[in-house]
Amino acid sequence: AQKVTQAQTEISVVEKEDVTLDCVYETRDTTYYLFWYKQPPSGELVFLIRRNSFDEQNEISGRYSWNFQKSTSSFNFTITASQVVDSAVYFCALSEGYNKLIFGTGTLLAVQP
Amino acid sequence: GAVVSQHPSWVICKSGTSVKIECRSLDFQATTMFWYRQFPKQSLMLMATSNEGSKATYEQGVEKDKFLINHASLTLSTLTVTSAHPEDSSFYICSALPAGGLADTQYFGPGTRLTVL
Repeated sequence: AQKVTQAQTEISVVEKEDVTLDCVYETRDTTYYLFWYKQPPSGELVFLIRRNSFDEQNEISGRYSWNFQKSTSSFNFTITASQVVDSAVYFCALSEGYNKLIFGTGTLLAVQP
Repeated sequence: GAVVSQHPSWVICKSGTSVKIECRSLDFQATTMFWYRQFPKQSLMLMATSNEGSKATYEQGVEKDKFLINHASLTLSTLTVTSAHPEDSSFYICSALPAGGLADTQYFGPGTRLTVL
């Protein structure tokens, strides 16, 4: 069965520190998609990235970067030089057939000034 | 582009009443919409998949008679919580999948916070 594990429930860092959020997934599908979403206190989900299973190239977008390793079934997310505005809950998700999304339990990131 | 709205953004109701939540895709057509529920400090759990013009597909453990879903047009899906009880209090989020667009990219609404007294 498909499953997404985010072992870190809460992380607290001081501003300007780098932080990595871990995501491990399980799936029997050969074609699948992985996502990261940010959920600030307002509750609205903010899409960050979508990655398909055939594209293992790492991606960088500003202070954000993602490391996809099929060999370890991991899709980790790093924020460089964290800022207070990065404080939120971050969800990793896996798409199942028919576009259903399976979400991890989320990691609450608190960035202290 | 790709904006999804939900109405209302929050609602408080008495136990036993029914509440309707609307999910609209504002600038695109969506043949498929999804409804999620999120309890405080928990993850999003898919409740049902709604396809325009057909019956919704409910996830295991979700009562279809309690959570009525209607997807009458390509831009609107509604979730009605019937005979709501305090345990139904939650954050309900919808998402929409563009018709003919990129698969596996759902656009999420801002959510509706339901409190049942």
